[in-house]
Amino acid sequence: DTAVSQTPKYLVTQMGNDKSIKCEQNLGHDTMYWYKQDSKKFLKIMFSYNNKELIINETVPNRFSPKSPDKAHLNLHINSLELGDSAVYFCASSQVASGGARGQYFGPGTRLTVL
Amino acid sequence: GNSVTQMEGPVTLSEEAFLTINCTYTATGYPSLFWYVQYPGEGLQLLLKATKADDKGSNKGFEATYRKETTSFHLEKGSVQVSDSAVYFCALVRSNDYKLSFGAGTTVTVRA
Repeated sequence: DTAVSQTPKYLVTQMGNDKSIKCEQNLGHDTMYWYKQDSKKFLKIMFSYNNKELIINETVPNRFSPKSPDKAHLNLHINSLELGDSAVYFCASSQVASGGARGQYFGPGTRLTVL
Repeated sequence: GNSVTQMEGPVTLSEEAFLTINCTYTATGYPSLFWYVQYPGEGLQLLLKATKADDKGSNKGFEATYRKETTSFHLEKGSVQVSDSAVYFCALVRSNDYKLSFGAGTTVTVRA
């Protein structure tokens, strides 16, 4: 009965490879997000989709491309991976139509290690 | 723009001690305020929230009161347990917005 799930949980890959992380939520929310958490635990939003439409696109390299096939899914594809991409990536969802005041719900995270 | 400032950690306490983590914010309008907790190796969980001035959020023995006059949302717990060891994040979202702004996080370690 996981509310927000991500796969894989761990991802170890070589520099220059292309990889994807998948996220699914079963909360019926209309908005999904990707966050990056660095080694110092600092959280930074990367992207947000509302009803499959991109609404937040922070200053993220264009090697990162989100895709939302439907309201319940938001995937993150990363091209030409670099060492600095190593981090924990969190997916989250919220019901924006009711206002952001209800908070966001986070997945368990994907720990990406680029060698 | 919006910003959240938390007290720096790490914070180390003994079991049953009193915990306070300070959080102040800068935002236009009337933001909603949140505390999230991240246990080791896990994602963030919403711990508590408050949506207007003088609201008190509470959960699992933790409390925080939305103080507009001091733009603060300090987290408190009267008697911590080892299981409270985690990273705590203060966050805000402006009204009619959906973009969460997080503080830097405070690592709390409770010793038996």
